[in-house]
Amino acid sequence: DAGVIQSPRHEVTEMGQEVTLRCKPISGHNSLFWYRQTMMRGLELLIYFNNNVPIDDSGMPEDRFSAKMPNASFSTLKIQPSEPRDSAVYFCASSWGQGLFRGNQPQHFGDGTRLSIL
Amino acid sequence: AQSVAQPEDQVNVAEGNPLTVKCTYSVSGNPYLFWYVQYPNRGLQFLLKYITGDNLVKGSYGFEAEFNKSQTSFHLKKPSALVSDSALYFCAVRGDNNAGNMLTFGGGTRLMVKP
Repeated sequence: DAGVIQSPRHEVTEMGQEVTLRCKPISGHNSLFWYRQTMMRGLELLIYFNNNVPIDDSGMPEDRFSAKMPNASFSTLKIQPSEPRDSAVYFCASSWGQGLFRGNQPQHFGDGTRLSIL
Repeated sequence: AQSVAQPEDQVNVAEGNPLTVKCTYSVSGNPYLFWYVQYPNRGLQFLLKYITGDNLVKGSYGFEAEFNKSQTSFHLKKPSALVSDSALYFCAVRGDNNAGNMLTFGGGTRLMVKP
């Protein structure tokens, strides 16, 4: 089975440019999560969707960050304008859960996008 | 609120020796607990989970974890470490009365297994 697919795997761009990260969750999963990982701050949850609807975006750093999930098989995380402090590895994860199984199923992670803002 | 603590940034163990990676948690309600492993340049991979039932949970690659409610701990263990077990390990928790579906992750523990 295909896991969570993220693209691109690496992105290097100059400060001020728009960056778009993409994620295809596992088919049938109804929750999608965007995380950011850095040495200094560890793993941070940015935003969480359930059934394509954003549920909690309290982790989104600022208005420069936005995320969308237009359908069950695709999500984007956009940074505009990008800054050097946005350099990190960004992970997308998906899981399935509803009713009695909500929240007790593991999240499945993609291999991440390593973003470098010069 | 829910939180996870992994008190050791790094654990060093010799190949063939038993290993323990520690995790303590705080949640409202009953905990759902997870362990993940991360290899270089890869995403987190699910190892095992505790939802309910037996306190000793067995997972992938020979790992197991022991749930201790009184000590609010969920330590990861393996009887005999392999060099290939060297990686970053994350503990995560969600309380069963948490309305959302979000996990809270610990800061991670780097496991170094030396030949």
